[in-house]
Amino acid sequence: GQQLNQSPQSMFIQEGEDVSMNCTSSSIFNTWLWYKQDPGEGPVLLIALYKAGELTSNGRLTAQFGITRKDSFLNISASIPSDVGIYFCAGQSYSGGGADGLTFGKGTHLIIQP
Amino acid sequence: EADIYQTPRYLVIGTGKKITLECSQTMGHDKMYWYQQDPGMELHLIHYSYGVNSTEKGDLSSESTVSRIRTEHFPLTLESARPSHTSQYLCASSSRGKTQYFGPGTRLLVL
Repeated sequence: GQQLNQSPQSMFIQEGEDVSMNCTSSSIFNTWLWYKQDPGEGPVLLIALYKAGELTSNGRLTAQFGITRKDSFLNISASIPSDVGIYFCAGQSYSGGGADGLTFGKGTHLIIQP
Repeated sequence: EADIYQTPRYLVIGTGKKITLECSQTMGHDKMYWYQQDPGMELHLIHYSYGVNSTEKGDLSSESTVSRIRTEHFPLTLESARPSHTSQYLCASSSRGKTQYFGPGTRLLVL
């Protein structure tokens, strides 16, 4: 099946720093999604990307859909304590497995030191 | 804001009991999904449904079963719970293959 490589696995940063994480795959995806999950809660959609090359912002978050359609990154600027959580990327391929060909990365654990 | 609900949020139960995890959404989404997730780990799709009377197995084999009698409701049942079923169960829904929205999850502990 399709696999996503999400990195880094975890990040320990100081409050106010910028954060960058990415997902890569050997397969092409039609859509890239970025979710954030707080402990004990379900993932919440942050940004959805539908077009290769697309760059989208949501407040302090910026995500891009790679030109090759095989990768995506998420940046968080000026991190604050509430940014702590697990960030998941997900790629969607209409020819792939799962209900809608949605494949999840293993997550990036973001920890912020005050 | 997604309107998808799961109950119970937390469940502690003994081995051998039958349990049903409820999931409902008020968005009229045709597709619904169940994922299993161990703490801090990735999500694994265990069941999905294209619509009423449709149920399919996901990528990860599971002893649970699901039903879809109504569009808004997608319950998951374990006939005989075991400690190996301890996990978080997440329900999601989407409209015509678009973005999936997740419920808050049910954390299950089987003793």
